[in-house]
Amino acid sequence: DIQMTQSPSTLSASVGDRVTITCRASQSISSWLAWYQQKPGKAPKLLIYKASSLQSGVPSRFSGSGSGTEFTLTISSLQPDDFATYYCQHYNSYSGLAFGGGTKVDIK
Amino acid sequence: QVQLVQSGAEVKKPGASVKVSCKASGYSFISYGLSWVRQAPGQGLEWMGWISIYNGNTFYAQKVQGRVTMTTDTSTSTAYMELRSLTSDDTAVYYCARDDEQWPSSYFDYWGQGTLVTVSS
Repeated sequence: DIQMTQSPSTLSASVGDRVTITCRASQSISSWLAWYQQKPGKAPKLLIYKASSLQSGVPSRFSGSGSGTEFTLTISSLQPDDFATYYCQHYNSYSGLAFGGGTKVDIK
Repeated sequence: QVQLVQSGAEVKKPGASVKVSCKASGYSFISYGLSWVRQAPGQGLEWMGWISIYNGNTFYAQKVQGRVTMTTDTSTSTAYMELRSLTSDDTAVYYCARDDEQWPSSYFDYWGQGTLVTVSS
């Protein structure tokens, strides 16, 4: 099975900072990667699919890049609403799918 | 608008079963699949399995294979996830999420609000 590893597990940042989260796959997953944002007590929200496609309605300060085994989620200028936990997810695999362990972005 | 509305919280004893429902609205139910994802307290997301609404085909994660059954009722646009032989490790919030109609599974653009299942003696 494909394993997804996110880093860092926790990230402290300030409003206005540029934030980058990394997700690594244990084998190549092409561009079959999604990113989600989750706030406490809420369901995850889709931000990015196919590694770099922005989901409708998601602010343009969010962007995704990468292919193969290494991917990044970037928030160009962190806003107060962006303090949350972020998960990557690989998909389109006949053996199933998996999420990364999550990255919590908190206030510095 | 697309909505997935799940059933309410459950408290179960070890060894029991739980059945969580997920009622869809605002889209063509039969044109998509559904996945179930769970999240233990303070932990990450764990995918449990997928079901095709069109033909009922399923694919379950190895960890819950043999204990989980996913079904649908197209007459009421409702999906169900039943988990048997519960242990304390099954205590989690269970989510349904809209998925691709065909396997392999895709990304999830709409999610239910979550159902807390607590397993305790």
